[in-house]
Amino acid sequence: GESVGLHLPTLSVQEGDNSIINCAYSNSASDYFIWYKQESGKGPQFIIDIRSNMDKRQGQRVTVLLNKTVKHLSLQIAATQPGDSAVYFCAERPGGYNKLIFGAGTRLAVHP
Amino acid sequence: EADIYQTPRYLVIGTGKKITLECSQTMGHDKMYWYQQDPGMELHLIHYSYGVNSTEKGDLSSESTVSRIRTEHFPLTLESARPSHTSQYLCASSELEGAKNIQYFGAGTRLSVL
Repeated sequence: GESVGLHLPTLSVQEGDNSIINCAYSNSASDYFIWYKQESGKGPQFIIDIRSNMDKRQGQRVTVLLNKTVKHLSLQIAATQPGDSAVYFCAERPGGYNKLIFGAGTRLAVHP
Repeated sequence: EADIYQTPRYLVIGTGKKITLECSQTMGHDKMYWYQQDPGMELHLIHYSYGVNSTEKGDLSSESTVSRIRTEHFPLTLESARPSHTSQYLCASSELEGAKNIQYFGAGTRLSVL
């Protein structure tokens, strides 16, 4: 089989617990941020996004927090389920560009 | 659910062969992208296009080339594949909505060059 995620930080949680995945971004001029979920063998799937003029945004079971002072982004998943097991990527958009710069990813492992 | 398709899903090929990875989207998006991703690693942008007849190189240098003759189609070509090209290639498309830029991804092509 393939060797996947040898360099990935892993967050292990119990089913039903809340998960917090963190991301540090690099460009203080970035004006838009986005979280993706990537399951094995699939392309990244959009979860939630946030503009730089916001601190918090909520979706269904997910919340994204943005701290521009320390250039930090987090994804909170409530009542984590086995189906949430995947690699999660944050991405930033440098202001004025139509490109996304992806972070390194965090593997979320949900245990029963 | 996004309608963006990549073929083939898997490709094993010998060194020196010419290959084309296909990417098509039915959403009418102007912007399309190609990323390279090694297993479990971050995505690196190698090509992008803002519309028909527009192509630009991305942040990661790549020996591949792309074309955008039709809005819905953004193929990537390697003239002479090498083992260093072994990777996963992901195609995406987006439509700017104000300040938002949600990119929708295909399932990827996993390329192995022997």
